[in-house]
Amino acid sequence: QVQVQESGPGLVKPSETLSLTCTVSGDSISNYYWSWIRQPPGKGLEWIGYIFYTGTTNQNPSLKSRVTISADTSKNQLSLRLRSVTAADTAVYFCARHPGSDGSKSLGHFNLWGRGTAVTVSS
Amino acid sequence: DIQMTQSPSTLSASVGDRVTITCRASQSISDWLAWYQLKPGKAPKLLISKASYLEGGVPSRFSGSGSGTEFTLTISSLQPDDFATYFCQQYETYYTFGQGTKVEIK
Repeated sequence: QVQVQESGPGLVKPSETLSLTCTVSGDSISNYYWSWIRQPPGKGLEWIGYIFYTGTTNQNPSLKSRVTISADTSKNQLSLRLRSVTAADTAVYFCARHPGSDGSKSLGHFNLWGRGTAVTVSS
Repeated sequence: DIQMTQSPSTLSASVGDRVTITCRASQSISDWLAWYQLKPGKAPKLLISKASYLEGGVPSRFSGSGSGTEFTLTISSLQPDDFATYFCQQYETYYTFGQGTKVEIK
């Protein structure tokens, strides 16, 4: 059974960098595209960006200047870095798997998610 | 950006009720639409992809329909496990979600 687990500090200070890790067990991350998605308190979901293990990435244009997504196949992990955070970045952050690896539009949804990790931006 | 508008934002219903949630796209997305179920503290669950394709293991009381700009998620007979928040998501251009519909006990 494939499991997805997000982890990271629950509290980040304004203007600092938020760093999260997504650890996948039961399957190789190389077989799929992976995305980061967040949900601010009381709000809807927002896609942050995706990565394929080859290094192919794409980000939400609204966050692109602050986001770095990377993959470590040796650890079977994905990482998210979000720079210059503000209170508006307070959210539950999810790691989610796309259902395939060809990057086509038909695989633009998410068929496996982690439970998410809550991050608060506050001094 | 393609905006997704869901309605209602909250829905009160009883076990056994037929429930319908609507999702409207700000421009045509063909049938590139998915529906998810979210429960607090749990991993979100994909219910439907490509507007009407029921994912494996999802009960047949869930169904999706629509194309272009208007879509619906229907639960034919609401069960206790179905009280949750539901989101639609378009994947025609980038990925954007609706604001969610909370299905609560009446």
